[in-house]
Amino acid sequence: NAGVTQTPKFRVLKTGQSMTLLCAQDMNHEYMYWYRQDPGMGLRLIHYSVGEGTTAKGEVPDGYNVSRLKKQNFLLGLESAAPSQTSVYFCASSLGVTTFPSSTDTQYFGPGTRLTVL
Amino acid sequence: GQNIDQPTEMTATEGAIVQINCTYQTSGFNGLFWYQQHAGEAPTFLSYNVLDGLEEKGRFSSFLSRSKGYSYLLLKELQMKDSASYLCASLDSWGKLQFGAGTQVVVTP
Repeated sequence: NAGVTQTPKFRVLKTGQSMTLLCAQDMNHEYMYWYRQDPGMGLRLIHYSVGEGTTAKGEVPDGYNVSRLKKQNFLLGLESAAPSQTSVYFCASSLGVTTFPSSTDTQYFGPGTRLTVL
Repeated sequence: GQNIDQPTEMTATEGAIVQINCTYQTSGFNGLFWYQQHAGEAPTFLSYNVLDGLEEKGRFSSFLSRSKGYSYLLLKELQMKDSASYLCASLDSWGKLQFGAGTQVVVTP
């Protein structure tokens, strides 16, 4: 049981290049999330998904696209990378919102991807 | 809207107690999470509170007051390995977490 995995772990891009970050989870979780973490700003939600085939915008979605074609995978795409997208990207997953709030809403995080855009 | 506030840094000596406060304003509040994050690593789950009161889990305890929009994380018998960033996060009814910027706890010998 690997939990949440992310590939790649590190990447350096030039401005204008594109790339896709892959997140995979083997916990049969319904909800998946992409965050970015910058110094002094905490984790900010980029996009999220509440189930296979669905996606929604988070707090900072501009410049990113996502897809959830399979329940276990959540892809984050950068079509034209910019230096402002230099960050550490974390994927997370959770069972999903239940009728009554509970610790099943806990999000579990992958190890992160360090992206540098030159 | 949502807003999470917590102190930037706290320093304490090994064996001491430290309390990290967090205030939040969350629409459709569905609970308060605390995560621990060591440098260069992913956040890991520490605690969850949805009802008022204190939840104790070993050396760590977490408290919530919904009416005051306030939580704290209490770390007892501090160890060097507790040096990390502690993230306060509120959950809304859509399953989204809003994170604070994190509190860096430095444990000194």
